[in-house]
Amino acid sequence: AQSVTQLDSQVPVFEEAPVELRCNYSSSVSVYLFWYVQYPNQGLQLLLKYLSGSTLVKGINGFEAEFNKSQTSFHLRKPSVHISDTAEYFCAVSGLGGAQKLVFGQGTRLTINP
Amino acid sequence: ETGVTQTPRHLVMGMTNKKSLKCEQHLGHNAMYWYKQSAKKPLELMFVYNFKEQTENNSVPSRFSPECPNSSHLFLHLHTLQPEDSALYLCASSQDLGRQGFGSPLHFGNGTRLTVT
Repeated sequence: AQSVTQLDSQVPVFEEAPVELRCNYSSSVSVYLFWYVQYPNQGLQLLLKYLSGSTLVKGINGFEAEFNKSQTSFHLRKPSVHISDTAEYFCAVSGLGGAQKLVFGQGTRLTINP
Repeated sequence: ETGVTQTPRHLVMGMTNKKSLKCEQHLGHNAMYWYKQSAKKPLELMFVYNFKEQTENNSVPSRFSPECPNSSHLFLHLHTLQPEDSALYLCASSQDLGRQGFGSPLHFGNGTRLTVT
């Protein structure tokens, strides 16, 4: 079984500052890792995913994440945030193939202050 | 347009009512999902359909009844719900690439905000 822990429920950041949203996972098998973003009154959108290969993954809107197998982490980063990045961010993990039974973390609410 | 459309966007129902949530995907995917999103809790997977066959029922109470008539449509029939069932219900779809396939991301609809009074 897999599980995901997002270490911060809320992260306030000033505009144009860098941000890191932390995610740790546990699993007894190889996993795929995802970050999703949810804007107010909307569903979840895929930001980026790690399947294999390079441990640094680049996604949409200037976000990137680094897979660290030894630390079982998949932290999300952005070097300079914008007001429009205000949203809830979810880290998720799934096992191999088939229909994706994603296990989500509890989410991190990112608030960008001017 | 997300490719996954959910209706209605908002629903208020009494505990004795019967209603249905509808989801339609226009992405050619063959797997569909229902998730429940409650405040301060992780998203909970409720049901998974793969090629129209239910492959997962995550211990969901029988007052929630899914239906998948084809790979593009998914319903969630509701009856005699409880106030604690109030939540955002999210539908998603993905491409099932087989047991050895790469992780296929989920595409979500905008959800139905359900309030049970």
